[in-house]
Amino acid sequence: DIQMTQSPSSLSASVGDRVTITCQASQDIRHYLNWYQQKPGKAPQLLIYDVSNLETGVPSRFSGSGSGTDFTFTISSLQPEDIATYYCQQYDNLPPLTFGGGTKVEIK
Amino acid sequence: QVQLIQSGAEVKKPGASVKVSCKVSGYTVTELSMHWVRQAPGKGLEWMGGFDPEDGETIYAQKFQGRVTMTEDTSTDTAYMELSSLTSEDTAVYFCASGGVSGVFDYWGQGNMVTVSS
Repeated sequence: DIQMTQSPSSLSASVGDRVTITCQASQDIRHYLNWYQQKPGKAPQLLIYDVSNLETGVPSRFSGSGSGTDFTFTISSLQPEDIATYYCQQYDNLPPLTFGGGTKVEIK
Repeated sequence: QVQLIQSGAEVKKPGASVKVSCKVSGYTVTELSMHWVRQAPGKGLEWMGGFDPEDGETIYAQKFQGRVTMTEDTSTDTAYMELSSLTSEDTAVYFCASGGVSGVFDYWGQGNMVTVSS
């Protein structure tokens, strides 16, 4: 099974800061990597699919990059409404589909 | 606009089964590759299984093999997930999730809290 190692597990940053989250796959997953945002008590929301493609309606301060086994998710300027937990997810060579452990983002 | 509407919260005793529903609107259930994801209290997301259009079959996480069944009713555009032999470890919010590409979840149900308690 492909394991997804996400880091950090939590972070605290100021409004306007650049925030970076990394996700490492245990083997090459090509471009089959998505990022989700989950706010408390809500379902996850797709932000980025296939490494770097922004879902319709998602603000441009969110971005993704990477290839193979190493991927990065960035919020260029953290806003108060970005407080949430973020998950990476791979879907190469199912089953299984796997999620990273999540990164909880808080405001300092 | 696609909406996935799930049934209400459930409380079950250990050893029982639970069947959660996910009603699709805006598309037919066969136009979407439906998957199920669960989240235990305070924990991360865990994929349970879903439809693989490449094989035309439903695939399950090994952890749930033999204990989970995912089905669809095309007459009502509703997907179902049934989990049997429940234990307290199955206490979680269960989400249906889908999208235009299997494995990319553009659409999510609101979630179903299932509590397993004696």
